[in-house]
Amino acid sequence: ETGVTQTPRHLVMGMTNKKSLKCEQHLGHNAMYWYKQSAKKPLELMFVYSLEERVENNSVPSRFSPECPNSSHLFLHLHTLQPEDSALYLCASSQEPSGAYNEQFFGPGTRLTVL
Amino acid sequence: GQNIDQPTEMTATEGAIVQINCTYQTSGFNGLFWYQQHAGEAPTFLSYNVLDGLEEKGRFSSFLSRSKGYSYLLLKELQMKDSASYLCAAMDSNYQLIWGAGTKLIIKP
Repeated sequence: ETGVTQTPRHLVMGMTNKKSLKCEQHLGHNAMYWYKQSAKKPLELMFVYSLEERVENNSVPSRFSPECPNSSHLFLHLHTLQPEDSALYLCASSQEPSGAYNEQFFGPGTRLTVL
Repeated sequence: GQNIDQPTEMTATEGAIVQINCTYQTSGFNGLFWYQQHAGEAPTFLSYNVLDGLEEKGRFSSFLSRSKGYSYLLLKELQMKDSASYLCAAMDSNYQLIWGAGTKLIIKP
């Protein structure tokens, strides 16, 4: 595997379910990100991790809980979600969490539907 | 506040040229990115501009004017596979990316 991978690609869950999204990067990067992408809206940055430590949390509801066990893996744990949380969840990685010309590499995303 | 504006949708003809504009307002500026995103796929990096002027990369070129807070992506010799969304993102003084909502480009034969 190369680049950034995400599983599952599609997920349908009820509001009372608990599920987790997984992201893995094979690029040797130090920073990883979770984004939410809703139709016709800008990408919303949810969390940033640098060397397994969270450096950014843009006021995301507590029903979203990130976990970064090592610099290659990132999880997003979901519980008691709302229908408005339905969106494409993108994972990305970059060499560093900040700095100019800091290109981010994205995974294909998980299409989440909350019923 | 910080803001990125780009058109929601554009249509162009195969073989033609199209210019996708982006205006930005950010607290400080550390460069502007363009990404391409095909439906159901990951965004992929196209270009980065931090100095004024035109950067050419094959059929794609990107232009930046820092004084005007303006950038454009120019696509030449359009192909059907160029049908995608094009995302503009400006990096602010804290090196955070501020994203636009994307421009959906439809290519017609």
